[in-house]
Amino acid sequence: AQSVTQLDSHVSVSEGTPVLLRCNYSSSYSPSLFWYVQHPNKGLQLLLKYTSAATLVKGINGFEAEFKKSETSFHLTKPSAHMSDAAEYFCVVSLYNFNKFYFGSGTKLNVKP
Amino acid sequence: DTEVTQTPKHLVMGMTNKKSLKCEQHMGHRAMYWYKQKAKKPPELMFVYSYEKLSINESVPSRFSPECPNSSLLNLHLHALQPEDSALYLCASSQRAGGVGYTFGSGTRLTVV
Repeated sequence: AQSVTQLDSHVSVSEGTPVLLRCNYSSSYSPSLFWYVQHPNKGLQLLLKYTSAATLVKGINGFEAEFKKSETSFHLTKPSAHMSDAAEYFCVVSLYNFNKFYFGSGTKLNVKP
Repeated sequence: DTEVTQTPKHLVMGMTNKKSLKCEQHMGHRAMYWYKQKAKKPPELMFVYSYEKLSINESVPSRFSPECPNSSLLNLHLHALQPEDSALYLCASSQRAGGVGYTFGSGTRLTVV
């Protein structure tokens, strides 16, 4: 079985401070992992993806994530938050050659001035 | 062209109406998906098409009828919907089914009155 757990439903940071959004996964096979961002009333945009290459993955807008197999984690980080980062973030797991994505429940990031 | 285009962006329909949602991509992707997203929830998979054939139906009620006329186009036909069907409907595509990350459209906001 496979699943994704986002450990925080809400995260609030001040502008210019680091961002950490936590994601743990459960998978019987080697997973592909993704982070998507959704701004209010918008579709989902791919931030970054891990597909069994380098364990530290760099994405768009300064975000990065590290795949840690021993901890079954794929946490999303950014050194310095910007007001435009305020959005909902989804961690997603997919199995190779399967037709499904498994979404986490989402983390809403609030950035304070 | 690296986009998935969904039309209309907003739709209000009565419970006796028939309407259709349209999704188009010109990236040569051979898998296309419909997702339903309720407020403050992650997207839920409805249908998967692979090489223009329906490969997954997640037990969606028959008042939702998908159609894939060609490799670039995906429709969702709606008939006799209920108010609880009001949601954001997202279309996505990928090079092939599973594993490599999806490109999402910006969605159709559907309100059933």
